[in-house]
Amino acid sequence: DVKVTQSSRYLVKRTGEKVFLECVQDMDHENMFWYRQDPGLGLRLIYFSYDVKMKEKGDIPEGYSVSREKKERFSLILESASTNQTSMYLCASSAAGTGSLYGYTFGSGTRLTVV
Amino acid sequence: AQSVAQPEDQVNVAEGNPLTVKCTYSVSGNPYLFWYVQYPNRGLQFLLKYITGDNLVKGSYGFEAEFNKSQTSFHLKKPSALVSDSALYFCAVREKTGGFKTIFGAGTRLFVKA
Repeated sequence: DVKVTQSSRYLVKRTGEKVFLECVQDMDHENMFWYRQDPGLGLRLIYFSYDVKMKEKGDIPEGYSVSREKKERFSLILESASTNQTSMYLCASSAAGTGSLYGYTFGSGTRLTVV
Repeated sequence: AQSVAQPEDQVNVAEGNPLTVKCTYSVSGNPYLFWYVQYPNRGLQFLLKYITGDNLVKGSYGFEAEFNKSQTSFHLKKPSALVSDSALYFCAVREKTGGFKTIFGAGTRLFVKA
């Protein structure tokens, strides 16, 4: 069964900490995405990557960075966590080109609480 | 800029009745349209998509959606709701010439009562 795996289901971090959220996919997909999900706001795109070492800002990149050193792994980094980054974080992947029209495959999410 | 609107925060329906979850979109060109479902404490699952062709598309779990270009809508439907359909539903849009970005709506929570 194909998968997108997010390393942590729940995380609690302190304000100011550097936080790493890891995402791994086993589908050999070129495209990977990080979204955050907040009630009433739906999913908002933070960053995406269409190839190894490539990254593009989404709609809300402030306070975040990403790393894609290997095709299967896409990491989201909160440089200095703040309480307004408390949220559900969802990783997704898709194939390149017309393969992306089959939709995204999502991980189960990481619920991050910053205290 | 592309956008998606789901006008209802919540939809309530009795089991066995038909259900509709509404979605309207705005894009500068022709759209790719998607529906996803999220069960509690889970990631999103792909339900169905409209790419081109027939305006009525069928997807997983008995769901279907109708693309209406003149009304820029892509409503999700099911003829007979099940209690197990209760979940959060997201509509999403991507421009055909827009590269990688898919924009998601705010979500509609569906409650199906037994």
